[in-house]
Amino acid sequence: AQKVTQTQTSISVVEKTTVTMDCVYETRDSSYFLFWYKQTASGEIVFLIRQDSYKKENATVGHYSLNFQKPKSSIGLIITATQIEDSAVYFCAMRGANSGTYQRFGTGTKLQVVP
Amino acid sequence: EAAVTQSPRNKVAVTGGKVTLSCNQTNNHNNMYWYRQDTGHGLRLIHYSYGAGSTEKGDIPDGYKASRPSQENFSLILELATPSQTSVYFCASGDRPGTGGGDERLFFGHGTKLSVL
Repeated sequence: AQKVTQTQTSISVVEKTTVTMDCVYETRDSSYFLFWYKQTASGEIVFLIRQDSYKKENATVGHYSLNFQKPKSSIGLIITATQIEDSAVYFCAMRGANSGTYQRFGTGTKLQVVP
Repeated sequence: EAAVTQSPRNKVAVTGGKVTLSCNQTNNHNNMYWYRQDTGHGLRLIHYSYGAGSTEKGDIPDGYKASRPSQENFSLILELATPSQTSVYFCASGDRPGTGGGDERLFFGHGTKLSVL
């Protein structure tokens, strides 16, 4: 079975600092794909960044980056220089290359960025 | 940018009634998905489709049916709605995922808030 776990329910950080959101996953597939999505207060869900398990380099897009620790089955999302508009719920998702035909999501982490 | 449109945005239904949630996508994606979002559960997959005429069960299909009459449209049907189906429903579309991991990011609609009384 494939499972994604986000244990941090909510996080509050001060603007312009760096935050890391945790995500651990379970899969029997040797190859898999990991994703992060952002849900804004309006409810809109957008894709942010992705990591393929066979790639050793951590993915980076703008001020989002990933901390991929394969031995720990962990994929943390790092947001540097946080802004007020980064306040949102962040979802981690995974799809196994062989047994996964769709993305499974974690329960989400609510991030609040305060001035 | 891919566009996924859901209707209605809000719906109040009575227990035992039939509810149909509609989704339309204009990006010609093969795959479409219905997720529901509940506090403490995140997004859970109900049904998905590989293309017109196909529907597949996700992780929580009980009490739901799906219909994919065309590439663009994917509906979620609650034949006999129950209060436990009160939730926010999201439709998403994406390219068919492969073992090579192509562009399979999902594009979501804005959600339908369903209340079953």
